[in-house]
Amino acid sequence: LAKTTQPISMDSYEGQEVNITCSHNNIATNDYITWYQQFPSQGPRFIIQGYKTKVTNEVASLFIPADRKSSTLSLPRVSLSDTAVYYCLVGERGQGGYNKLIFGAGTRLAVHP
Amino acid sequence: DVKVTQSSRYLVKRTGEKVFLECVQDMDHENMFWYRQDPGLGLRLIYFSYDVKMKEKGDIPEGYSVSREKKERFSLILESASTNQTSMYLCASQTAGTSGYNEQFFGPGTRLTVL
Repeated sequence: LAKTTQPISMDSYEGQEVNITCSHNNIATNDYITWYQQFPSQGPRFIIQGYKTKVTNEVASLFIPADRKSSTLSLPRVSLSDTAVYYCLVGERGQGGYNKLIFGAGTRLAVHP
Repeated sequence: DVKVTQSSRYLVKRTGEKVFLECVQDMDHENMFWYRQDPGLGLRLIYFSYDVKMKEKGDIPEGYSVSREKKERFSLILESASTNQTSMYLCASQTAGTSGYNEQFFGPGTRLTVL
């Protein structure tokens, strides 16, 4: 399983765009890149997933360069409620069995007024 | 919406007690997981199950066992609780299908304290 590296913490202010970069140098051909968000005292929740180029949903955008050795989660115009831990994970989708996810320590994002 | 529920949000037990943590999901998911989360260590996989009565060890199974008698329910058992098992325990479920995101849906967690 590809190991991921992301910053331990980041600070931002309300209304700013936040970009969190994750490196995954050993990503395999069949691996997808997935981001989860975790608020205090809650379980993680899925934010976005991609394989290459750019993916956008109502919450975030995910930018993946051609070599796929890194990815960037972009949160537009953050608010105080975006304060959370963000996890970058790399792995295969389930194939009739399971897809084992390895959660690192994540990036602790603090949004300030 | 997928709902994953865990039997307790907070639990306090004594060393040596047998502890049961229950998890129920309502989306007919094949796969279920138990993690523990400790500060600075992220989530670590204890056990997972991909079908009724099937189980596989995760990264840190020592001191734990699991039971999956029904598809919707996955139980984590601490045979003899120890203080180093004080942690946040998270259950998750996931479809085994190959389409879609295959994301894991997590419960709210159980914060277990072993005295």
